Amino acid sequence: NAGVTQTPKFRVLKTGQSMTLLCAQDMNHEYMYWYRQDPGMGLRLIHYSVGEGTTAKGEVPDGYNVSRLKKQNFLLGLESAAPSQTSVYFCASSYSGDQPQHFGDGTRLSIL
Amino acid sequence: KQEVTQIPAALSVPEGENLVLNCSFTDSAIYNLQWFRQDPGKGLTSLLLIQSSQREQTSGRLNASLDKSSGRSTLYIAASQPGDSATYLCAVRLEGYSTLTFGKGTMLLVSP
Repeated sequence: NAGVTQTPKFRVLKTGQSMTLLCAQDMNHEYMYWYRQDPGMGLRLIHYSVGEGTTAKGEVPDGYNVSRLKKQNFLLGLESAAPSQTSVYFCASSYSGDQPQHFGDGTRLSIL
Repeated sequence: KQEVTQIPAALSVPEGENLVLNCSFTDSAIYNLQWFRQDPGKGLTSLLLIQSSQREQTSGRLNASLDKSSGRSTLYIAASQPGDSATYLCAVRLEGYSTLTFGKGTMLLVSP
């Protein structure tokens, strides 16, 4: 009964390094989302996907790229990490746009 | 741009009290509204989803209401328990969009 699984749970990077966050869901959901959560800013949408092979920009997409090559996976990439990208990243999925979103437990990313 | 505001930002009550959390939104052309719960260090858990055509939804001790015309929703928690301590977030989906706009949450502490 995995639901939405995020990998890794914690990571520390140096400025300029790159990395990929993986989100996997086993609920056959069409829609997937990447958010970041920062103190005082709330949850903000980075990118989302409405189906396999599709991606779209959210509220704060700069500095991030995404891919949805398989329906169950949604990857978030940081090409050149910056300290401003220190945050908690959440992935979510839903069957459709009007169904509840299910969240993973987050990835805590620190960039020094 | 849709803005979602939650008041109060924090609330502390003794066990057993009935309480109301408030959510307001600036654009009344919403498709649905969701209430979530977030425990420390965890992801979000969907509590209730209200479609724009509905006035309220109930689940156990939770009741959420929606007044589209005034741009308001409330989450009523009956007979609060220490296990209800968490941050509660509301999120709104606008008509024609696939994404949610989140409020910053209300941090609830229920003391034994």
